[in-house]
Amino acid sequence: KAGVTQTPRYLIKTRGQQVTLSCSPISGHRSVSWYQQTPGQGLQFLFEYFSETQRNKGNFPGRFSGRQFSNSRSEMNVSTLELGDSALYLCASSPRGAGGLYEQYFGPGTRLTVT
Amino acid sequence: AQKVTQAQTEISVVEKEDVTLDCVYETRDTTYYLFWYKQPPSGELVFLIRRNSFDEQNEISGRYSWNFQKSTSSFNFTITASQVVDSAVYFCALSGNTGTASKLTFGTGTRLQVTL
Repeated sequence: KAGVTQTPRYLIKTRGQQVTLSCSPISGHRSVSWYQQTPGQGLQFLFEYFSETQRNKGNFPGRFSGRQFSNSRSEMNVSTLELGDSALYLCASSPRGAGGLYEQYFGPGTRLTVT
Repeated sequence: AQKVTQAQTEISVVEKEDVTLDCVYETRDTTYYLFWYKQPPSGELVFLIRRNSFDEQNEISGRYSWNFQKSTSSFNFTITASQVVDSAVYFCALSGNTGTASKLTFGTGTRLQVTL
């Protein structure tokens, strides 16, 4: 079974621009979560989607948004990029939407650099 | 609020030594789930183990073992006879069962360096 895939793997953007990151979950997985990893803040939960609905959201500004498609693929968007948005963005999928009952499997991440 | 503390920032061992990574957690949920993930230099988080709060049975899997103690809110991870390939950052994580069920709260990670 193919793992979680994320595209692109690396991205360089300029302050003020917007960016869209993509995540394809493991086949059959309906829950997709997004995390931001930075040296200063560590791994932080952004949001989770299940069956095209956002079920849970972390403490991030409205510039961070996401969506999920009917095939469970997910995208996250960051508008008006700031230097502090430079991070590794990790996507994780889970077979069911029951949170901790099922472990999350992570993709390789998208490393975003904002200059 | 949920919290995971990994007090050890970095550990260096020589190959074949045993090493234990500590994890202490805080949660108000009566049912919760604990995880260990490994992040090698490639960056991808690799799932190692999940434990439910109602299952305190400790487990050994090959060179890995886990010690879950609710009384002390600890979920420690031991690597026996460490190998260079074990070098990575190890994260302990927690998720609840109500409201926060789909959210993993991670510790700050412990960087393990295994040398020859």
